[in-house]
Amino acid sequence: DAKTTQPTSMDCAEGRAANLPCNHSTISGNEYVYWYRQIHSQGPQYIIHGLKNNETNEMASLIITEDRKSSTLILPHATLRDTAVYYCIVRVKAAGNKLTFGGGTRVLVKP
Amino acid sequence: NAGVTQTPKFQVLKTGQSMTLQCAQDMNHEYMSWYRQDPGMGLRLIHYSVGAGITDQGEVPNGYNVSRSTTEDFPLRLLSAAPSQTSVYFCASRADRAGTGELFFGEGSRLTVL
Repeated sequence: DAKTTQPTSMDCAEGRAANLPCNHSTISGNEYVYWYRQIHSQGPQYIIHGLKNNETNEMASLIITEDRKSSTLILPHATLRDTAVYYCIVRVKAAGNKLTFGGGTRVLVKP
Repeated sequence: NAGVTQTPKFQVLKTGQSMTLQCAQDMNHEYMSWYRQDPGMGLRLIHYSVGAGITDQGEVPNGYNVSRSTTEDFPLRLLSAAPSQTSVYFCASRADRAGTGELFFGEGSRLTVL
């Protein structure tokens, strides 16, 4: 699976959009971009995933650049409950078995 | 649905003791896995299973055994606990074995080995 690079931490104002970048310059054509988050010490929670096209669900939007070498997770209206560590993961969808979590980005939403 | 249930939530062991961390899911998921998370670190895959009777090693399997006799249960056994195994352990499941869906995680089991 391709390696990902994320900022270690970032702050965001409550009510504003939070834009979380992820670099995956070695991504290959059949690798998907997944985002999970971990609130405090809870188990990670799935947010969204995509291959080429931008994706949106009730939690967030995922913007993938045309060359697919980077992506951005957007939380449209950050709340205090969005304070968490956010993990960007790249993997082959059919690989099945391994989902490697790196260090992630620690996001602090401030009032 | 209860989702993924892990027991116990907290455990303290002495070096050399053995124990089993339990994981059960009621979603009829084929895929189940165990991760460990050390302080300030990401998750590392220990073992996984793509169905009853099938298990395989992940990134850090040494010191741990698993079995999958039923679809619902995937216990993780520590045969001789070591202080290096002090960690938070997460069990996760997924509907399909091919990796197309999201992982559902349990709340974690916090293990301290003295």
